[in-house]
Amino acid sequence: KAGVTQTPRYLIKTRGQQVTLSCSPISGHRSVSWYQQTPGQGLQFLFEYFSETQRNKGNFPGRFSGRQFSNSRSEMNVSTLELGDSALYLCASSLSSNTYEQYFGPGTRLTVT
Amino acid sequence: AQKVTQAQTEISVVEKEDVTLDCVYETRDTTYYLFWYKQPPSGELVFLIRRNSFDEQNEISGRYSWNFQKSTSSFNFTITASQVVDSAVYFCALSEAGVQGANSKLTFGKGITLSVRP
Repeated sequence: KAGVTQTPRYLIKTRGQQVTLSCSPISGHRSVSWYQQTPGQGLQFLFEYFSETQRNKGNFPGRFSGRQFSNSRSEMNVSTLELGDSALYLCASSLSSNTYEQYFGPGTRLTVT
Repeated sequence: AQKVTQAQTEISVVEKEDVTLDCVYETRDTTYYLFWYKQPPSGELVFLIRRNSFDEQNEISGRYSWNFQKSTSSFNFTITASQVVDSAVYFCALSEAGVQGANSKLTFGKGITLSVRP
């Protein structure tokens, strides 16, 4: 069974631009969560989607948004990029919103210059 | 608010040594779940274990063992006879219980970088 895939793996953007990251969960998984990892703040929860609905949200500004499609694939978007948005963005999938194990993808490394 | 503290930031051991990674958590919930994840240099978080707040039994899986003590709010992880392949960043995480099991939001500690030297 294929694991969680994230595209692109690496991205370089300029301040003020916007970016869209994609996550394909493990086949059959309906919940997708997003996390931001930075050296300073560590791993922080962004949001979770289940059956195309946002079920949970972390403490991030409105510039961070996401969505989930009917095939459970998810995208997250960051608008008006800031230097501080440079991070590893990790996506995790699980069978359902309340299932214990989350399986993580390899992440997308975003660099904002 | 939930909080996970991993006071050790970096640990370096020689192969075959035993090593314990500490994790202390804070939560007001009576039902919660604790996790350990491993992050090798490739960057992908690998699930190691999940423990719920009602199960204080220690667990052993090969060279790995976990000690959960509610009295001290700790969930420590021990690697016996460490190997070079164990070199990675290890994260302890906490989630509160949702309506049916663990909430998907994980609160992570800062992580412990383990280096195992040959």
